[in-house]
Amino acid sequence: NAGVTQTPKFQVLKTGQSMTLQCAQDMNHEYMSWYRQDPGMGLRLIHYSVGAGITDQGEVPNGYNVSRSTTEDFPLRLLSAAPSQTSVYFCASSFSADRGKQPQHFGDGTRLSIL
Amino acid sequence: TQLLEQSPQFLSIQEGENLTVYCNSSSVFSSLQWYRQEPGEGPVLLVTVVTGGEVKKLKRLTFQFGDARKDSSLHITAAQPGDTGLYLCAGRQGAQKLVFGQGTRLTINP
Repeated sequence: NAGVTQTPKFQVLKTGQSMTLQCAQDMNHEYMSWYRQDPGMGLRLIHYSVGAGITDQGEVPNGYNVSRSTTEDFPLRLLSAAPSQTSVYFCASSFSADRGKQPQHFGDGTRLSIL
Repeated sequence: TQLLEQSPQFLSIQEGENLTVYCNSSSVFSSLQWYRQEPGEGPVLLVTVVTGGEVKKLKRLTFQFGDARKDSSLHITAAQPGDTGLYLCAGRQGAQKLVFGQGTRLTINP
């Protein structure tokens, strides 16, 4: 049982480059989300999805795109990387968003540096 | 401005001591979760509290949700080095958004 798998674990990009952070879960969870974690800021929600074909913006969506073509996968795209996007990115999933008790299962993160 | 304020941000104590970490907000949450995060890993859920005034215990950890559902606390009794980590509180807003505090980095010295 892999849970939530994120790839790559580390990435260095140059300003202006684009890339996709991959996230896959094998728990048949409806709800998936992307967070970024910066020192002293906790985790901030970037985008989320309540099911295949449905996505919505979180707290800090600018500069990022997402899609949810399947239940399992929720990739995060950086369109034109900027140094301000240097961060640790976490993908999370839960069975359903619509129940306050649902735990979020997190991947181990992608550490991204933009030069 | 952080919607959920955690205090203290850093805490270093000796093994065997007791400690309390706080999570405060001016907003009401339908539920509140506490997570622990180890270096190089994602957060792992410890507990969810739903009802105002609710108290939950997990071995030496006691979690309390404020009566007005705006704040929460985590109390650790007889702290051990294995308790070291980043503790995050997260409040649910509406059905779909989880808002995190900035975390409390706890170090327990042997």
